[in-house]
Amino acid sequence: NAGVTQTPKFQVLKTGQSMTLQCAQDMNHNSMYWYRQDPGMGLRLIYYSASEGTTDKGEVPNGYNVSRLNKREFSLRLESAAPSQTSVYFCASRGETVTYEQYFGPGTRLTVT
Amino acid sequence: GENVEQHPSTLSVQEGDSAVIKCTYSDSASNYFPWYKQELGKRPQLIIDIRSNVGEKKDQRIAVTLNKTAKHFSLHITETQPEDSAVYFCAARAFSGGATNKLIFGTGTLLAVQP
Repeated sequence: NAGVTQTPKFQVLKTGQSMTLQCAQDMNHNSMYWYRQDPGMGLRLIYYSASEGTTDKGEVPNGYNVSRLNKREFSLRLESAAPSQTSVYFCASRGETVTYEQYFGPGTRLTVT
Repeated sequence: GENVEQHPSTLSVQEGDSAVIKCTYSDSASNYFPWYKQELGKRPQLIIDIRSNVGEKKDQRIAVTLNKTAKHFSLHITETQPEDSAVYFCAARAFSGGATNKLIFGTGTLLAVQP
């Protein structure tokens, strides 16, 4: 099992450009999440999806959109990138067993100039 | 909204000493409190968690304690080793607004274990 995978690993964008961050999991998990990590700010939830076909806003959704393409895949789109979106982005997933553990992907380091 | 405060933001200890990281949470309905370890350039990984029906949980050199009345929980690492050096995040399961699938994370503690 690959667990949670993310592409790309690194990306540099110019202000105003758009891009989509991809996330996939092979653990048959229902719930998936997108976080951003900034120095001194911890992990902040952008959007999450409790099941295929549903998405909800987290703490910092402005400037982002998401798509739960199927049970495996959850993508994050920046329509018009801004320097404030420079961050490390993590995708995570969680199963519906007794544990509430979230499994994280390796992250995408995004720089917006 | 829900909030998790974590202290200290940085912690330096000598190898072999103990380290304690403390968190407080705001949502009295929270019932699950995980701790994640993130090594430099790596993904966060769960190291221990505790549910609200338990006051303490241990796993070898790490332990977590929970005081539901005070809404505090703490991570204790004994006999620290250089490989314990990392950023540690606490989190609490969020319930407000009917969305029970979320974790609210603290801002992290950078632990440095000096050999």
